[in-house]
Amino acid sequence: QVQLQESGPGLVKPSQTLSLTCTVSGGSISSGGYYWSWIRQHPGKGLEWIGYIYYSGSTYYNPSLKSRVTISVDTSKNQFSLKLSSVTAADTAVYYCARLNSSGYLNWGQGTLVTVSS
Amino acid sequence: SYELTQPPSVSVSPGQTARITCSADALPKQYAYWYQQKPGQAPVLVIYKDSERPSGIPERFSGSSSGTTVTLTISGVQAEDEADYYCQSADSSGTYQVFGGGTKLTVL
Repeated sequence: QVQLQESGPGLVKPSQTLSLTCTVSGGSISSGGYYWSWIRQHPGKGLEWIGYIYYSGSTYYNPSLKSRVTISVDTSKNQFSLKLSSVTAADTAVYYCARLNSSGYLNWGQGTLVTVSS
Repeated sequence: SYELTQPPSVSVSPGQTARITCSADALPKQYAYWYQQKPGQAPVLVIYKDSERPSGIPERFSGSSSGTTVTLTISGVQAEDEADYYCQSADSSGTYQVFGGGTKLTVL
């Protein structure tokens, strides 16, 4: 069973860059067929798709965040990462990593709360 | 930007049938997926490709599609089904993913 686990700072200062890593266990990112995704959820709000990456490095981002988002993959560590630049309080959210294929988002991390505050 | 529209809330009594809709222009071309989310937990996939049920999901959960609307139906609702439900799909190009705003299911 594939498991995903987010890690990274829980507190980021305004204007800085939010950096999170998702470690995948029980399966290889390099095996193909999946899009490795980041999704966030503002407190008390709905889910927002941030973007995803294929193991080859191809990326797709939410147009509303595209100018600030970078998703990368490290197949040697079986990890993928999220960087969100120039953060504000509006970026305070629970950030999830998840695995997507044609059967949907079947596997999710537990989520990690990132607070943007000075 | 592309949006999926869901009702904010649905309420049903135990044992009744709950129906949650999700509407968008591209739904005739793109599959829809449904997720259940309980407080403090990650979402759980309950329906994929409009009407398929993942292993381990109770048979009372079903999905259907008609034109620009997809529907999640929960038959014989139980108290444990009280949760937020989100539909998810892609834009017409299939490139960009999107989630609906979510529907809070209340079991009276």
